[in-house]
Amino acid sequence: DQQVKQNSPSLSVQEGRISILNCDYTNSMFDYFLWYKKYPAEGPTFLISISSIKDKNEDGRFTVFLNKSAKHLSLHIVPSQPGDSAVYFCAASGDFGNEKLTFGTGTRLTIIP
Amino acid sequence: EAGVVQSPRYKIIEKKQPVAFWCNPISGHNTLYWYLQNLGQGPELLIRYENEEAVDDSQLPKDRFSAERLKGVDSTLKIQPAELGDSAVYLCASSLVRGTGELFFGEGSRLTVL
Repeated sequence: DQQVKQNSPSLSVQEGRISILNCDYTNSMFDYFLWYKKYPAEGPTFLISISSIKDKNEDGRFTVFLNKSAKHLSLHIVPSQPGDSAVYFCAASGDFGNEKLTFGTGTRLTIIP
Repeated sequence: EAGVVQSPRYKIIEKKQPVAFWCNPISGHNTLYWYLQNLGQGPELLIRYENEEAVDDSQLPKDRFSAERLKGVDSTLKIQPAELGDSAVYLCASSLVRGTGELFFGEGSRLTVL
């Protein structure tokens, strides 16, 4: 039972354009959501998070949007840069991040120069 | 500040052999996690420690997997005996207790069971 779903295994975007990565979840007890970025042969690194009491969080070129009624969140990267090419994992937890994270299967983003 | 250190980075063994992975978390991080990542999947929690105590080991296959975190710092994850299906990347992560949910991951230990 996949509680966090990333339905797009891969995405290609032209450099300078907007990248939009999507994530859906099924567990209504999740109240904290995070995005991690992973380069080959490295561990995932934290990118940005959002609490369920918000619907948007922004950090530089990265913005995460949360739609609780639809149980959907998205990560926007604008403008996209070649260094953004990586696998992006969506993760969710209960208790505002203090409980275990449940990860999605990841989306491989390729930025085309 | 040093990050989470894991060893070995790569390990190839034959089935039924034992294997052990070691993790040194970031200094001061009381919470330590072991995650399993299969090819094409996201990380899945195996066990979570707060200091020396394993507070969540519900996903750890206890018939062949064991873990310890003596003195609440370094941790070891052991598999005995290994099976073909154990081939995966084993990730260690640490975080501050009552933190933001932000985990700091090591580079992982890639296990191949032949």
